[in-house]
Amino acid sequence: AQTVTQSQPEMSVQEAETVTLSCTYDTSESDYYLFWYKQPPSRQMILVIRQEAYKQQNATENRFSVNFQKAAKSFSLKISDSQLGDAAMYFCAYRRWDAGNMLTFGGGTRLMVKP
Amino acid sequence: GAVVSQHPSRVICKSGTSVKIECRSLDFQATTMFWYRQFPKQSLMLMATSNEGSKATYEQGVEKDKFLINHASLTLSTLTVTSAHPEDSSFYICSASGSGGQEETQYFGPGTRLLVL
Repeated sequence: AQTVTQSQPEMSVQEAETVTLSCTYDTSESDYYLFWYKQPPSRQMILVIRQEAYKQQNATENRFSVNFQKAAKSFSLKISDSQLGDAAMYFCAYRRWDAGNMLTFGGGTRLMVKP
Repeated sequence: GAVVSQHPSRVICKSGTSVKIECRSLDFQATTMFWYRQFPKQSLMLMATSNEGSKATYEQGVEKDKFLINHASLTLSTLTVTSAHPEDSSFYICSASGSGGQEETQYFGPGTRLLVL
């Protein structure tokens, strides 16, 4: 079974600074998807970024980018120019290529942004 | 695009009663819908996966007779908590994935907070 590990229960960043959230996963598959979801205090899960394992290029979405290291099974999220609205729980998730879209979530990282 | 709604957002019920939660995909056809449960300060726990027109697949340890799931159309799935008890109090979240470019990604509803007295 696949597992997803987020080793940082909490992180803190100064507004306008950059922070990196770590995620590692365990799988024997070669094709899969990786996601970062954000859950603000409203508890609405919001897709931040998605990475297909077959793509070598790291995904980026505005201030959000990932460092995908397939051999190391690592998928970290970098948030640049942090804003107060970035404060939330962040969940890393894995999905097998053919798994009927079932996601395996990590335990989450709570990000605090200091003004 | 890819908006998922959930209703109600909050519900309080008496022990022993049943509660129905609706999950709708508003702008795409959801071939697969998922139901999660989330305890405070914890990650999401998958309860079941439902495909339109088929019986739901429940995760180990989830009572299918207690958590009834119906996915009768490509835009609607319902979760009914039958004979609810205080230990069923939780935050329930649905998600949906579908066709037309939304196969790979799950889009989440805003969640339903259930409190059983």
